[in-house]
Amino acid sequence: GDSVTQMEGPVTLSEEAFLTINCTYTATGYPSLFWYVQYPGEGLQLLLKATKADDKGSNKGFEATYRKETTSFHLEKGSVQVSDSAVYFCALSSLSNYQLIWGAGTKLIIKP
Amino acid sequence: DADVTQTPRNRITKTGKRIMLECSQTKGHDRMYWYRQDPGLGLRLIYYSFDVKDINKGEISDGYSVSRQAQAKFSLSLESAIPNQTALYFCATSDGGVAGGRGYTFGSGTRLTVV
Repeated sequence: GDSVTQMEGPVTLSEEAFLTINCTYTATGYPSLFWYVQYPGEGLQLLLKATKADDKGSNKGFEATYRKETTSFHLEKGSVQVSDSAVYFCALSSLSNYQLIWGAGTKLIIKP
Repeated sequence: DADVTQTPRNRITKTGKRIMLECSQTKGHDRMYWYRQDPGLGLRLIYYSFDVKDINKGEISDGYSVSRQAQAKFSLSLESAIPNQTALYFCATSDGGVAGGRGYTFGSGTRLTVV
């Protein structure tokens, strides 16, 4: 069945560092791919999405490119801020019923 | 008002008590979901509903039940709460469109503690 694998956290970086959070997936066909963010004490919010191969989703300085050849959707940001500290979830939309299949989440800690 | 509203935000209850968590949405979406979040375990799907008459079990439905009272309302019940049901519970809604639509919209969560 469909699945999503994320790098384990926590990931700890200093402010202004470059961020990569790895996400790979297993699915049939071409699912849509998503990144969600959960700030402390809050629900999940959609951060960005991509719906087909080679699409790049972007928002708030974060980017992720849909790579069909490597079945990956890695999240990147060039210069992180303390306010980016949160848990980040990668997900795919199952083509069988359009439900989201979730990764386990990666906690990001940014130190000033 | 928030697109998805969950009540209560926090609840402490005793083992064996029945408790209901409520969710309402103003997105006009047909699909609604209940998830449970435990530290280090990500999100696990409890129940989901594609419309008022269509309710389905998720991966961890044992010990839970749901009611879809209207398109906008989806309640989760713990018939007899136990301590390992202590967790953060989220309700979400989606339009279920092709290619995942515009994703899910989540409520702010209910933190449930069973003592």
